[in-house]
Amino acid sequence: RKEVEQDPGPFNVPEGATVAFNCTYSNSASQSFFWYRQDCRKEPKLLMSVYSSGNEDGRFTAQLNRASQYISLLIRDSKLSDSATYLCVVKTAPFSGGYNKLIFGAGTRLAVHP
Amino acid sequence: EAQVTQNPRYLITVTGKKLTVTCSQNMNHEYMSWYRQDPGLGLRQIYYSMNVEVTDKGDVPEGYKVSRKEKRNFPLILESPSPNQTSLYFCASSGRVLDEQYFGPGTRLTVT
Repeated sequence: RKEVEQDPGPFNVPEGATVAFNCTYSNSASQSFFWYRQDCRKEPKLLMSVYSSGNEDGRFTAQLNRASQYISLLIRDSKLSDSATYLCVVKTAPFSGGYNKLIFGAGTRLAVHP
Repeated sequence: EAQVTQNPRYLITVTGKKLTVTCSQNMNHEYMSWYRQDPGLGLRQIYYSMNVEVTDKGDVPEGYKVSRKEKRNFPLILESPSPNQTSLYFCASSGRVLDEQYFGPGTRLTVT
């Protein structure tokens, strides 16, 4: 089982739609959670951190459910410019010990069409 | 401007010909890392460095070497590249707490 799992998509939605992505993680000791955005053939960039109480940044809302070990990203009023791959990222301490590390999901692709 | 730079951006080479991909950051970050990205597999960590002269293996270190002689530079070395190392490579840096990683623009490597 992968440490961080995402639905690969693609999610094809019209402009203005609301779309939600989920991500599950396997290590219950995971400490921090993030969503990164990656445009085609470009580097990933931090979209937002995910806090225990949930957080919102404009049209984007991230939520964390520690009991069920999943995080979600909700995008409201989708724009054409939201088309990208969204990476779920978990910071965790390895089972074998050592430094914290970031585990990346394989990403969920979103395509917003006119 | 805060940035991570990588060179070259594109490289086509042949099996067995040693190559180095350079990575440099100007944010005085302690932590630097190399990832490879392959379709369906996401980003997988190759090596990381917590500070100068401190490096350790990530999840897929076989066939790669790194060094961290200066804080700003973290080159990736492929001593004898093979076709299964054809991939998109990203260098990244962050502060010690790992709360945001800054990525370089990527290096697309093809080994024939």
